[in-house]
Amino acid sequence: QIQLVQSGAEVKKPGASVKVSCKPSGYTFTTSGITWVRQAPGQGLEWMGWISGYNGNADYAQNLQARLTLTTDTSTSTAYMELRSLTSDDTAVYYCARATSSNAGFHYDYWGQGTLVTVSS
Amino acid sequence: QSVLTQPPSLSGAPGQRVTISCTGRSSNIGAGFDVHWYQQLLGTAPKLLIYGNNNRPSGVPDRFSGSKSGTSASLAITGLQAEDEADYYCQSYDHSLSGYVFGSGTKVTVL
Repeated sequence: QIQLVQSGAEVKKPGASVKVSCKPSGYTFTTSGITWVRQAPGQGLEWMGWISGYNGNADYAQNLQARLTLTTDTSTSTAYMELRSLTSDDTAVYYCARATSSNAGFHYDYWGQGTLVTVSS
Repeated sequence: QSVLTQPPSLSGAPGQRVTISCTGRSSNIGAGFDVHWYQQLLGTAPKLLIYGNNNRPSGVPDRFSGSKSGTSASLAITGLQAEDEADYYCQSYDHSLSGYVFGSGTKVTVL
């Protein structure tokens, strides 16, 4: 069965960076992309970006583009999300999800368990 | 503020029908991009409920159905059950933002 397993919770100070990993299993990594979504406490879902598992091409949300880097390591079939210059507004649960194409766009059919990132001094 | 607007909350008695609207604009739903729906139970990751406007993944009950018209989409839940109490989000692509967007979310309460 398809699973996406994420790295554990992180506590960071303002100004620091965080890197979260996402390791899918149950399908060939290079055949699908990975999207990253975050959810601040008590808030809705926010799309952060997408990266191709095939060639590493990435798209980023405009409001995060300057601070966000998505990468993949095809040798270990792992995707990474790095967010820099953290503030308290970045405190959230971060999810990775497999992106599957539909007729006009992508949907996210399998999700990781989420990684809580807390930014606090 | 999300570019896809949903009612903040809806409620219904067991067995009733509830419909969640997702109102977009000409840069997203109205441009022909697909709408997808997710269910998020308390404290868990979102789950894909409807993809490509009106398709159910394997294992999703046929009580859930999706539709799309113009700049809006809807998720209908018929025969509401206690386990349907959750947050629901629509999702689409917005070409003016050059990225994907989620709706503001709707909390469904089963009375």
